Amino acid sequence: NAGVTQTPKFQVLKTGQSMTLQCAQDMNHEYMSWYRQDPGMGLRLIHYSVGAGITDQGEVPNGYNVSRSTTEDFPLRLLSAAPSQTSVYFCASRIDRTYEQYFGPGTRLTVT
Amino acid sequence: AQKVTQAQTEISVVEKEDVTLDCVYETRDTTYYLFWYKQPPSGELVFLIRRNSFDEQNEISGRYSWNFQKSTSSFNFTITASQVVDSAVYFCALSEAWRGSTLGRLYFGRGTQLTVWP
Repeated sequence: NAGVTQTPKFQVLKTGQSMTLQCAQDMNHEYMSWYRQDPGMGLRLIHYSVGAGITDQGEVPNGYNVSRSTTEDFPLRLLSAAPSQTSVYFCASRIDRTYEQYFGPGTRLTVT
Repeated sequence: AQKVTQAQTEISVVEKEDVTLDCVYETRDTTYYLFWYKQPPSGELVFLIRRNSFDEQNEISGRYSWNFQKSTSSFNFTITASQVVDSAVYFCALSEAWRGSTLGRLYFGRGTQLTVWP
């Protein structure tokens, strides 16, 4: 099993550009989430999904879109990048709400 | 409201000292799960332990031990005889079993930066 994979590992965007952060897992987990991590703020939930076709907003959803068309994939779309979205982004998956979450390696995004 | 508080932002110790990382949580549910994660300087997030609300037994794994006390809503983490490799950010997290609109959410504390000096 590859676990949770994320691409790219690093990305630099200009303000106003859009892009998609990819996340995939091969563990057949129903639950997937996106977090951003900023210094002193810990992990903040952006969006999450409890199964294919079902998504919901977390604490900081503005400026981001998600969709979940398959169990394996949970892409995060930045619609119009802003410098405030400079952060490290983590994707995670878990079997269900009672189990631990497995994290991807993260994507370091810089918006100039 | 659900909340996880890690009041210690940073802790510094010298190698071989014991250190305890505090975690206090709030929840209205009777069924919930608590977790600890480690984030070393390399950046990945590593799962350490999962504990459900019905199991208050302390757990020990090598130099690591966890003390779960429902009476004080705490789930503290102790590292015995700390080592430089223990230097990392440690996160405590809470997951509820029955809160319908937020099923699947894991609530994280802000983390404690532990630095172990040689």
